[in-house]
Amino acid sequence: DTGVSQNPRHKITKRGQNVTFRCDPISEHNRLYWYRQTLGQGPEFLTYFQNEAQLEKSRLLSDRFSAERPKGSFSTLEIQRTEQGDSAMYLCASRTMTGGHPTYNEQFFGPGTRLTVL
Amino acid sequence: GNSVTQMEGPVTLSEEAFLTINCTYTATGYPSLFWYVQYPGEGLQLLLKATKADDKGSNKGFEATYRKETTSFHLEKGSVQVSDSAVYFCSSSNTGKLIFGQGTTLQVKP
Repeated sequence: DTGVSQNPRHKITKRGQNVTFRCDPISEHNRLYWYRQTLGQGPEFLTYFQNEAQLEKSRLLSDRFSAERPKGSFSTLEIQRTEQGDSAMYLCASRTMTGGHPTYNEQFFGPGTRLTVL
Repeated sequence: GNSVTQMEGPVTLSEEAFLTINCTYTATGYPSLFWYVQYPGEGLQLLLKATKADDKGSNKGFEATYRKETTSFHLEKGSVQVSDSAVYFCSSSNTGKLIFGQGTTLQVKP
């Protein structure tokens, strides 16, 4: 296993189009997180899954955004009717949740998908 | 809500200089604290962490101590190298999701 992978790495789209990103976590990791990072800022939490259940969504995640993790393995993040303000790096991270405090186990990040909305 | 504030960059140092990057947090309860690093062209990597007050996280010559009384987690290194040039993010977490600061760019010149 070579770590968390994300596809595509870059996506350029026109305003109003729909886009979908994929994240493949480290195989034994049951928690998967999505973050968004705009230029010059730190990543901001969007949502997370434990196995296939989506347990929390940030208020940043408007109804144009939807995320799924259908079999508890890979996850997809879809943005409908993209806007220029959606341009950002979308990061995925995964970790194990094997007991103990939920913050103890390291989150491993993928390389991100850079979205540009024209 | 929880938040993290880091000193603004960029920080430019000569090789072998001493590094401090300040980080303060606000949180309910007692979060775990982290420093992540992003090297050019690479993804975020965990540099070090501390999970309770007075813990010291350390890795690759970097250190940070969890100070509950000042709600701080400053990153230090005694002698930086050119290869330390990167963006550094301070982060906190109560429940698993990470709250990040805005990042500090470090440039080390030979």
